[in-house]
Amino acid sequence: QQQVKQSPQSLIVQKGGISIINCAYENTAFDYFPWYQQFPGKGPALLIAIRPDVSEKKEGRFTISFNKSAKQFSLHIMDSQPGDSATYFCAASPSGAGSYQLTFGKGTKLSVIP
Amino acid sequence: KAGVTQTPRYLIKTRGQQVTLSCSPISGHRSVSWYQQTPGQGLQFLFEYFSETQRNKGNFPGRFSGRQFSNSRSEMNVSTLELGDSALYLCASSLYQGTGYTFGSGTRLTVV
Repeated sequence: QQQVKQSPQSLIVQKGGISIINCAYENTAFDYFPWYQQFPGKGPALLIAIRPDVSEKKEGRFTISFNKSAKQFSLHIMDSQPGDSATYFCAASPSGAGSYQLTFGKGTKLSVIP
Repeated sequence: KAGVTQTPRYLIKTRGQQVTLSCSPISGHRSVSWYQQTPGQGLQFLFEYFSETQRNKGNFPGRFSGRQFSNSRSEMNVSTLELGDSALYLCASSLYQGTGYTFGSGTRLTVV
């Protein structure tokens, strides 16, 4: 019940296109949903995060869409650039005391080609 | 503002040995978490410390342990190393428990 399922495993997008990565969760206790970007040799970097009380959050070219009833959330990268080529992880965490841990999806390797 | 600092960056150990990894969180951050990253299992939660107390522990054997000091710096220890412990070990800190974790660049541990 702690699982977060992420798809696709890999994604190739043309420069200027929209990259879409999807995640689904099972644990209804999750109430914090961040997305992380990781470049080779680096740790994951927080991109954007959302809580279930909103259905969408936008920061620059990055947008999270959240569907509480379907227990799904997705990351949209608009106007994708070669510099966006990285591995993206969705994650989820409950907020109850003693349970602060991020459960990560398996990651999506994004390649943006010129 | 300095980020999360992990030392050493790379480590090679022999099976059966033990290892200690260090993490200095962002100044002011009191919550420190540790994660193991491998190609097969992805990112998995090890444990979380807040105010020098372990608040949560993942599904790892007792060979994996950690502690947090009064200045919020944290160490994790792995005893009796196995080949399968080869991984990138990541430390993350946050101002408050549960949100806004900032990760370090990790320690790459290779067990031979």
